[in-house]
Amino acid sequence: QKEVEQNSGPLSVPEGAIASLNCTYSDRGSQSFFWYRQYSGKSPELIMFIYSNGDKEDGRFTAQLNKASQYVSLLIRDSQPSDSATYLCAVNMDYNAGNMLTFGGGTRLMVKP
Amino acid sequence: NAGVMQNPRHLVRRRGQEARLRCSPMKGHSHVYWYRQLPEEGLKFMVYLQKENIIDESGMPKERFSAEFPKEGPSILRIQQVVRGDSAAYFCASSRNDRGANTEAFFGQGTRLTVV
Repeated sequence: QKEVEQNSGPLSVPEGAIASLNCTYSDRGSQSFFWYRQYSGKSPELIMFIYSNGDKEDGRFTAQLNKASQYVSLLIRDSQPSDSATYLCAVNMDYNAGNMLTFGGGTRLMVKP
Repeated sequence: NAGVMQNPRHLVRRRGQEARLRCSPMKGHSHVYWYRQLPEEGLKFMVYLQKENIIDESGMPKERFSAEFPKEGPSILRIQQVVRGDSAAYFCASSRNDRGANTEAFFGQGTRLTVV
């Protein structure tokens, strides 16, 4: 069974702090990795994607990928109450068959003013 | 610059009825994916389609569920003889490509199906 694992949380951080969200995946051959944000009752919204080992920064968000250890993380700097949502890690585990995504269960982030 | 469009947003069906969910991908996108999210659970892949072709339906239940993406018009996910366990949010996503660059999938607003 190919899996993506996330701590369900809630992860609570104070406003202005760095929120660190982690994700591990089981398929060593996975090629592409995505972070989505989902507010309650809404659809997933793409935040970042990463394909190569290392860090990728976009504004307050940094995605980190370590294929050897099979983990991907998302850092949110200067966290705001509006960042409070569920963050979904998604992995494309079968590169040859389109971009079907295997999702983790999500980590609920709460940013307290 | 419309995103992925799904309709209806909410659908109520009685047990045994049919549900039809529609998805129009983003302009320029030819790859469509359907996902299901049960209450308080994560998203599960159901089916991947390109125009007139089902590429992978490994996540779709073998009975009662079918999907199509005709040459003209939206992709349709069809659930026959719905049961209470089919109540969920059904999300459609589309991408421009399926490998290399521009494979990011963007989601529609979803159809929330309630079976009573």
